[in-house]
Amino acid sequence: DQQVKQNSPSLSVQEGRISILNCDYTNSMFDYFLWYKKYPAEGPTFLISISSIKDKNEDGRFTVFLNKSAKHLSLHIVPSQPGDSAVYFCAAAGGTSYGKLTFGQGTILTVHP
Amino acid sequence: GAVVSQHPSRVICKSGTSVKIECRSLDFQATTMFWYRQFPKKSLMLMATSNEGSKATYEQGVEKDKFLINHASLTLSTLTVTSAHPEDSSFYICSASVYPGAYNEQFFGPGTRLTVL
Repeated sequence: DQQVKQNSPSLSVQEGRISILNCDYTNSMFDYFLWYKKYPAEGPTFLISISSIKDKNEDGRFTVFLNKSAKHLSLHIVPSQPGDSAVYFCAAAGGTSYGKLTFGQGTILTVHP
Repeated sequence: GAVVSQHPSRVICKSGTSVKIECRSLDFQATTMFWYRQFPKKSLMLMATSNEGSKATYEQGVEKDKFLINHASLTLSTLTVTSAHPEDSSFYICSASVYPGAYNEQFFGPGTRLTVL
């Protein structure tokens, strides 16, 4: 049972434009959400997070939006840069599983110059 | 800071042999380490959580006798895949944290690619 889903396996964007990566979850006990970036042959690195008490969190070019009623979150990258090309994972935490992260399948973002 | 290493980065072994993967926190003491497995084009699946000096907690469906985890010190955890078979071929990633509840401070290693022939 995939509790966190990223339905778009890949996304291609022109440099300077906005990249929007989407993530859906099914477990209503999740109360903390994170986005990770992963380059080939490297582990995921933390990008940005959001608590369920907020609906938006912004850090520089990166903004995460959370819609609890729809159980949906998105990551906006503006403006997109070629160096942003990587695999992006969303992850969720909460409920009784202390410390446990549940990941989506990942979305490959390619930013073209 | 907050660097986690894994060794080896890739390993190829024959079916039936055992393989040990090390996960080290290089510049901090990790009270908790997590072991994940990733299949191609799939999400990272948590296999087990290990706390220094105590037995690992395995996720449902993960064979603890197959995947032995030892967290002997605050900077080292090992995953041993015993009697490896081709279906164990996968990408194994560890993460380490000082405070498990500080989710954005869970640092990941670069992963180990295991291929069982």
